This record gives sequence, C-alpha cells and structure tokens, in this order.
Amino acid sequence: GAVVSQHPSWVICKSGTSVKIECRSLDFQATTMFWYRQFPKQSLMLMATSNEGSKATYEQGVEKDKFLINHASLTLSTLTVTSAHPEDSSFYICSASPWGGSSTDTQYFGPGTRLTVL
Amino acid sequence: QKEVEQDPGPLSVPEGAIVSLNCTYSNSAFQYFMWYRQYSRKGPELLMYTYSSGNKEDGRFTAQVDKSSKYISLFIRDSQPSDSATYLCAMSEGGGADGLTFGKGTHLIIQP
Repeated sequence: GAVVSQHPSWVICKSGTSVKIECRSLDFQATTMFWYRQFPKQSLMLMATSNEGSKATYEQGVEKDKFLINHASLTLSTLTVTSAHPEDSSFYICSASPWGGSSTDTQYFGPGTRLTVL
Repeated sequence: QKEVEQDPGPLSVPEGAIVSLNCTYSNSAFQYFMWYRQYSRKGPELLMYTYSSGNKEDGRFTAQVDKSSKYISLFIRDSQPSDSATYLCAMSEGGGADGLTFGKGTHLIIQP
C-alpha cells in the first residue's frame, strides 16, 4: 500500500521549453501533495505544497510563475517547469499524504523525475 | 545554523554490526520525526515514523527521539549489505499536512 508514482522518470529538454511532471497516488487518496527538489549530494528541499482544489503554496525563493502546480484530483498533481533553463536541472520528487486514518501523519514519496535541461 | 544537521558520512561498518545514525535540529516546534532510506537516483522510502519523544521498534530498526536535546537516532541491528544506502532524517510540525525538513542524509556502507 501507499504507492506514489511519477511520470516521466527522466526527461531531457532544450533550454526555453516547458516540461510537465505527473505525480499520482495509486492506492490512496491524497488531499495534500508536496513537491521537492534535490540537487546532487544535497538534501531534499520543499518547493511547494499542493492541496486538491486550491492554489499551491510555494516556499520562499521558489518562483510560482516558473513552477506551475495543478492538483486536479485526490490522486493527481502536476508540476510544470516553464521556460526551463540549465540551472533547473535537478531531481524532482513528489510526496503525498494519505487522507484519513492513522497514516495521515506522514508522507510517501514517488520515485522522482530527473530533469536535464540542455 | 541549519535547521537539521546530519553527518553526510560516508559511514562504513562491517556486516552484522549495529549502526547508529543521528540528527540534531533547532526548531523546537517539530513534533513528527521520520527516517527514510534512499538509493541512488530513487525516491525516499519511509522506514520509521515517530510522534514526539520516545522509542519505536520495527524489526531490526529502532528510532529514538529526545526532544529535550533536539536529537533523534536510528539504530540498525544485524546490518546487511543490502542496508547500504543513504539514510535521511526528516521532521515536521504538523505531520503529513506539512512539508518535511530533511537532513542532508548519511551515506551508509555495509561491508560484506
């Protein structure tokens, strides 16, 4: 149980293009999903919190117009990196918090998406 | 001072040894504490979750939280080569409803 998937697992794009990453909770509903970014040999850093049916909350320093988040349903959140540049190259990981029950106290992570911008 | 401090290692121990991994933190509002295991280029896998202070045991893993010292630990008994991975501590104020603050992760190597 508590499986989170991400698609694609890796993507290479040209500078200036946009990339969409999907995050799905496969066997549970998630009212809240989170997007993290991890640079090599660094810790995971929270980018934004996504709540179903409402606007995402972004962490300080994260450009909301560059990283568009849509939480369309209780099982799907998407992150779109707009006008990507080489400095956006990173490992993007989503997590989901189950709705209801004792397991709402933690988060389950997807396998991550490696983005390389040329 | 960073919010969560964790020695990145690498920590190398022989197979069968007891492993001790630790994190310290500065935010006294943290109430939920987790340990994740991450293999290279993969997403973190939840190992242990603890609310507030105390101990929790699950198989070969024991998590300890000492809120008075702002110090958390993960112990791995009878370590196996398959335990070789990066171990991340994470914590939050509001559990699953809040974004997690992570340590840098400790790279653990279990020598056969």
